[in-house]
Amino acid sequence: AAGVIQSPRHLIKEKRETATLKCYPIPRHDTVYWYQQGPGQDPQFLISFYEKMQSDKGSIPDRFSAQQFSDYHSELNMSSLELGDSALYFCASSRLLSSGNTIYFGEGSWLTVV
Amino acid sequence: LAKTTQPISMDSYEGQEVNITCSHNNIATNDYITWYQQFPSQGPRFIIQGYKTKVTNEVASLFIPADRKSSTLSLPRVSLSDTAVYYCLVGLVISGGGADGLTFGKGTHLIIQP
Repeated sequence: AAGVIQSPRHLIKEKRETATLKCYPIPRHDTVYWYQQGPGQDPQFLISFYEKMQSDKGSIPDRFSAQQFSDYHSELNMSSLELGDSALYFCASSRLLSSGNTIYFGEGSWLTVV
Repeated sequence: LAKTTQPISMDSYEGQEVNITCSHNNIATNDYITWYQQFPSQGPRFIIQGYKTKVTNEVASLFIPADRKSSTLSLPRVSLSDTAVYYCLVGLVISGGGADGLTFGKGTHLIIQP
């Protein structure tokens, strides 16, 4: 079965640079979520989109922005990168149903800021 | 969002049944309970989801008492490969404008020994 696809898998950037992560949800899924997981930490919810509109916002820094496009893929843009932004970034997707909402995660994009 | 409390760590042996209990005292009427498994540097993997009573799939069972203030994930006959972090998530999965991002609490580090 198709899974959530994230790219790139690994990314190295310098401080103050900009990075963009891409996420391709499971086909027919209408909702995308972004999570950040620092070393030794639990995943932290950043932001979610439903039908191309922002649906929920978590602890996303103002330096970060995201959007969901007409083909339902999503991009997370991170500017003015800081060392503390080094983390594993997960994208997840789901299809809202009245019977529940199972969220499936991708394998993540490793961002290292040096 | 309902806060969850799980044991920080658990140990067991191959072939044993493992039960991990999660406490979520302020669970809301519309909240679902979802369990994920995460290996180091990998995306969380969906295990099971339920609303009430008992749910069983090919890998686990989920027991939810009538008051829904706790839930227990049951893993039958564990193997070494079940060593991972297990997260219990509780939240409103469908809202008026889409799905809320589920919040990860502190997961349970399960260690399976030979």
